Amino acid sequence: ELKVEQNPLFLSMQEGKNYTIYCNYSTTSDRLYWYRQDPGKSLESLFVLLSNGAVKQEGRLMASLDTKARLSTLHITAAVHDLSATYFCAVVSTGFQKLVFGTGTRLLVSP
Amino acid sequence: EAGVAQSPRYKIIEKRQSVAFWCNPISGHATLYWYQQILGQGPKLLIQFQNNGVVDDSQLPKDRFSAERLKGVDSTLKIQPAKLEDSAVYLCASSLDGTVYEKLFFGSGTQLSVL
Repeated sequence: ELKVEQNPLFLSMQEGKNYTIYCNYSTTSDRLYWYRQDPGKSLESLFVLLSNGAVKQEGRLMASLDTKARLSTLHITAAVHDLSATYFCAVVSTGFQKLVFGTGTRLLVSP
Repeated sequence: EAGVAQSPRYKIIEKRQSVAFWCNPISGHATLYWYQQILGQGPKLLIQFQNNGVVDDSQLPKDRFSAERLKGVDSTLKIQPAKLEDSAVYLCASSLDGTVYEKLFFGSGTQLSVL
């Protein structure tokens, strides 16, 4: 059974600082996704990572994938308040088409 | 382009009562998903439809949950009878092609509180 773990579960950081969210998964995977969820809102797709070594960047967020380590990271550069949200990684295991979500990381960026 | 529509937005019921949620996916999307998101957890897939057929319902508690997608468009998810542990946000999502997950669009969800 595919399991997806994120850490930290909660992250409080100051504006301007850098930090990384980690996503580990338990079986081989074809694809890994990062989603953002604002309170009371839909999940918004941020990135899809399809192969080992894939790196995607948009604004202050950069996601990477290491399929050998079964690890993805979401790096935040010079955080701003607008990045405050809950971030989920989600994985599709090889051979199955079920999307399994991690527990989420709640990010709070303070001035 | 209209997004995935869900209703109601909030629902409060007592245990053992019944409840139904409605979802209207994006026009033309063949695949529809229902997810359950318990507070502090990631969404968990309950059921996946391809047009009006069920692709995966392995995590749907079939003794109390049921879902249908008549005519391959709108869908309803029903809980009967509800338990306290069913308190969660129920998310509907749709995609044009069920194998291309980056095109998964989520609705705002229905927040269910079972007292």
